[in-house]
Amino acid sequence: DGGITQSPKYLFRKEGQNVTLSCEQNLNHDAMYWYRQDPGQGLRLIYYSQIVNDFQKGDIAEGYSVSREKKESFPLTVTSAQKNPTAFYLCASSIDRLTAIEAFFGQGTRLTVV
Amino acid sequence: ILNVEQSPQSLHVQEGDSTNFTCSFPSSNFYALHWYRWETAKSPEALFVMTLNGDEKKKGRISATLNTKEGYSYLYIKGSQPEDSATYLCAPYNTDKLIFGTGTRLQVFP
Repeated sequence: DGGITQSPKYLFRKEGQNVTLSCEQNLNHDAMYWYRQDPGQGLRLIYYSQIVNDFQKGDIAEGYSVSREKKESFPLTVTSAQKNPTAFYLCASSIDRLTAIEAFFGQGTRLTVV
Repeated sequence: ILNVEQSPQSLHVQEGDSTNFTCSFPSSNFYALHWYRWETAKSPEALFVMTLNGDEKKKGRISATLNTKEGYSYLYIKGSQPEDSATYLCAPYNTDKLIFGTGTRLQVFP
């Protein structure tokens, strides 16, 4: 089945540790996005990538890093510099930057930092 | 930061009621407007992608209109059902990114 897979579903880390969230898609989409949701807030854009080996900062990129070495993979690293890392993280993809086609979403990863 | 506003923030209606939500967004550099439905414990799913001023889309009991000149879109649900309970998100797409509003949380009571 085609889709987006995020893993793990729940993640616990100690404060000060870096953690990497996985996002894989087999939809052959060029564009991929990472969003963060906090209680009572909407989805905020962290990073996005329109093509392999290229990515741009979203509205809240500080404390995060990404890579896009393969078309199907867009991992997000939450670094120790992120002041409030506990949140729900959602990955999405869309076919490309030029086509007005809907985005597809993963199931999300809930990260808790203690 | 692109400011996308949705209203109301939440809505409680009885089964059979019709309802509508509003999405407001800056009209400059507009390319498309997306609507998504996000049910609890599931992934957001696309309802509509709208690109043209005056565009109207319909899927069953749900429809949407778009005004790109003034920067707003309406989502209508006719005869709400309990299975319509979800958060409805709008997201304008411009300059290569999809920016979401805070959403309207709809609860439909039997």
